[in-house]
Order: sequence, then structure tokens, then C-alpha cells
Amino acid sequence: LAKTTQPISMDSYEGQEVNITCSHNNIATNDYITWYQQFPSQGPRFIIQGYKTKVTNEVASLFIPADRKSSTLSLPRVSLSDTAVYYCLVGPQTGANNLFFGTGTRLTVIP
Amino acid sequence: DAGVTQSPTHLIKTRGQQVTLRCSPKSGHDTVSWYQQALGQGPQFIFQYYEEEERQRGNFPDRFSGHQFPNYSSELNVNALLLGDSALYLCASSNRDRGGTGELFFGEGSRLTVL
Repeated sequence: LAKTTQPISMDSYEGQEVNITCSHNNIATNDYITWYQQFPSQGPRFIIQGYKTKVTNEVASLFIPADRKSSTLSLPRVSLSDTAVYYCLVGPQTGANNLFFGTGTRLTVIP
Repeated sequence: DAGVTQSPTHLIKTRGQQVTLRCSPKSGHDTVSWYQQALGQGPQFIFQYYEEEERQRGNFPDRFSGHQFPNYSSELNVNALLLGDSALYLCASSNRDRGGTGELFFGEGSRLTVL
């Protein structure tokens, strides 16, 4: 599974848009990009997944450039409850459970 | 619809002891994976069980073993506990045909402290 690189931490004020970028230079042709969110003492929770261009759901947007060597998770108008660790994962959409999480990005939302 | 449930939520052991952690997968899921998450780190894959057999294994010693039962629930056993085994142990479930980076559902974990 391809390894990923993300910023260790980010701070943002409430109501702002937050963009977290992930580098995955060795992404394979059949790999998808998936983001998980984790609150303290809880298991990770799926946020969004994409293969190319842009994906949007009720929680976030995921932007993937044409070369797919990076991706950006965008959280619109963050609130204090969005304070969490965000993990970028790269791997097959199906058939692989041995996910590589890395250390993630710790997002702190400030009032 | 119950999600992934794990027990116990917290436990304390001493070095050299053995521990068993339990997991019930989300309804409709047949595959269980276990992860270890040390403080300040991301989860690390231990192993995956499907059809009562270990299918994939991460870089963990043989002190870590598991089992899956016919009802798809699973146990994680750790023998000869070390201080470094202190961590949050996460269980994740999926459906074999859909298991992948976007289809894992995690429990809230079992926090193990080894003294």
C-alpha cells in the first residue's frame, strides 16, 4: 500500500474553510484515496473517498489533481466539533484491510 | 443496527500476563481486522480474519494471535505482555466483497494499560 505524507497539525478558527493536503507519490493505478476522522478514544470514521477530480458529500470535499500524486480534503465552515485527527489513506477500494494510517493531521478548531 | 462493539473498554494488566479482547462486527459484515494504536500514533494493522482463518498479518510477533467464530465475532489474544503493548486496540469490520479503504467500520476500542 502506498505511503502518505500529511502535515502533523493545523489550527483554524471556527467558521473557516480548512484544507488538508496529502502527498502520495507512489499511488498505484487501482488505488483510491480515502480520508478518515478520529476523535480521542474513538475508532476512526470514514469521511470521503475518491479516485480522481472532485468528490463531495455532506461532510467534505476531496480534490484530486490529474496526476493523483496528492489530494486535498476540504472541510467547509469548521466548528469546534471538527477538532480531530484526520488520516489520508491510499489503497484498493476493495479487498484490502491492512490499511496504512500514518500519523495523520491533528486539526484544532479555535473559537 | 448495532455497529462494531468491543469489550472490555478499559483494562489494566501487568507485564507477563495474557489478555483477550473481544469484538462483534457490524451486522452483515463477515471480516474482522484488528489494529493497535499507540498514544499519538496512527492505527497499525495487526491481522485480518475471514471465514475463521487469519488471512493477512502485519508486522506483529507471534505473541499476538486471534480467532474468529462462526458468528463472525473475533478475539485478539496477546501473551507475555510487555509495557510497549499498552495501546488502544481497535477492531474494524467489513464485508469481504466490499472490504477496502472505504468500507471499514471501527469500534471504539479497548484501552489496554500494561504496568
